[in-house]
Amino acid sequence: DAKTTQPPSMDCAEGRAANLPCNHSTISGNEYVYWYRQIHSQGPQYIIHGLKNNETNEMASLIITEDRKSSTLILPHATLRDTAVYYCIVRNAGGTSYGKLTFGQGTILTVHP
Amino acid sequence: DAGVTQSPTHLIKTRGQHVTLRCSPISGHKSVSWYQQVLGQGPQFIFQYYEKEERGRGNFPDRFSARQFPNYSSELNVNALLLGDSALYLCASSDEPLYNSPLHFGNGTRLTVT
Repeated sequence: DAKTTQPPSMDCAEGRAANLPCNHSTISGNEYVYWYRQIHSQGPQYIIHGLKNNETNEMASLIITEDRKSSTLILPHATLRDTAVYYCIVRNAGGTSYGKLTFGQGTILTVHP
Repeated sequence: DAGVTQSPTHLIKTRGQHVTLRCSPISGHKSVSWYQQVLGQGPQFIFQYYEKEERGRGNFPDRFSARQFPNYSSELNVNALLLGDSALYLCASSDEPLYNSPLHFGNGTRLTVT
């Protein structure tokens, strides 16, 4: 599986945009970039995913660079409830194990009042 | 709509015992995956089932087994429990076995082995 690199922690002021970076320089052409977050004592929550185009949904935007070697998750107006561990995952498109996501250490995002 | 449901939410077992954890996927989802999350680490893949067949297995010992039922619910079984099996066990479901089909997780079963 392609390896991802994320900063261990980030801070953000409430109401401001939170921009979470992720490097995935060994990503293959058919591998998707997924973002999940995990609030303490809960299961990971799906946020967004993309292949090569920028994506937006009701939770966030995903910006993938043209060479696909890095991406940024944008939470446009962070709230205190967005405080969580954010995982950037490159999903392996090979083999038959569709259910496998390889989680790293993630980024602990803390939103301050 | 109900999300992925897991039972029980918490469980305490003694070393050497056996445990069965249960998962009900989102309605219409046919694929179920199991993950183990040890405190302070990200979840690790254990198994994936689709249409009642095992489609993937992570690097876990044979003490870990699972199955999927005709209604697509699933059980994870762990035999001969060790202290190191203490973890949050997560179940995830998806509607298609495709790489662009998101997995949706339940809130897990917290297993403590004493």
